[in-house]
Amino acid sequence: QKEVEQDPGPLSVPEGAIVSLNCTYSNSAFQYFMWYRQYSRKGPELLMYTYSSGNKEDGRFTAQVDKSSKYISLFIRDSQPSDSATYLCAMKGGNNDMRFGAGTRLTVKP
Amino acid sequence: NAGVTQTPKFRILKIGQSMTLQCAQDMNHNYMYWYRQDPGMGLKLIYYSVGAGITDKGEVPNGYNVSRSTTEDFPLRLELAAPSQTSVYFCASTQTAPGRAGELFFGEGSRLTVL
Repeated sequence: QKEVEQDPGPLSVPEGAIVSLNCTYSNSAFQYFMWYRQYSRKGPELLMYTYSSGNKEDGRFTAQVDKSSKYISLFIRDSQPSDSATYLCAMKGGNNDMRFGAGTRLTVKP
Repeated sequence: NAGVTQTPKFRILKIGQSMTLQCAQDMNHNYMYWYRQDPGMGLKLIYYSVGAGITDKGEVPNGYNVSRSTTEDFPLRLELAAPSQTSVYFCASTQTAPGRAGELFFGEGSRLTVL
């Protein structure tokens, strides 16, 4: 079993749709949870991060962490074609060991 | 504002050749990292450094070497290239201590093909 599982997709939605991206993990030591966005042929960029369980909202983006289920989500409301990218979940514990998911490739069609 | 700069962007190597991927950051970050990204596999940590003169192995260090003589530069060396090293390599840096969350700043990547 991989330490971080993320469905690679691809996921294709119409403009304006609500997008749900998810990761599951097995290491209970993880306490920092992040989402990175990666455009084609570019490096990843931090989109959101949360500490421990709970929700965090930033504009059209909401990150959720459920540590009891070892499950994290990223929701994108009113999705735009500019949201088309690969979304990578990432998580780490109290050391330097960050683990990334495989990334979900999202396409938002006009 | 350059951020993290990687060179070269693309390279084709023959099996057994050696090369160095260059990485430089101008943000005065102490912590620097090398990752490789393979399709469907996410990012895997190769090596990292917590400051000049200090480096340590990550998840997949075999076949690679690093050095950190200055805060700005963190080159990655491939000594005997193998087809399994065909990948996209990303250098990243951050000012946040390893035990805390913090934004990793990535370069644009170096695409390496070993034939």
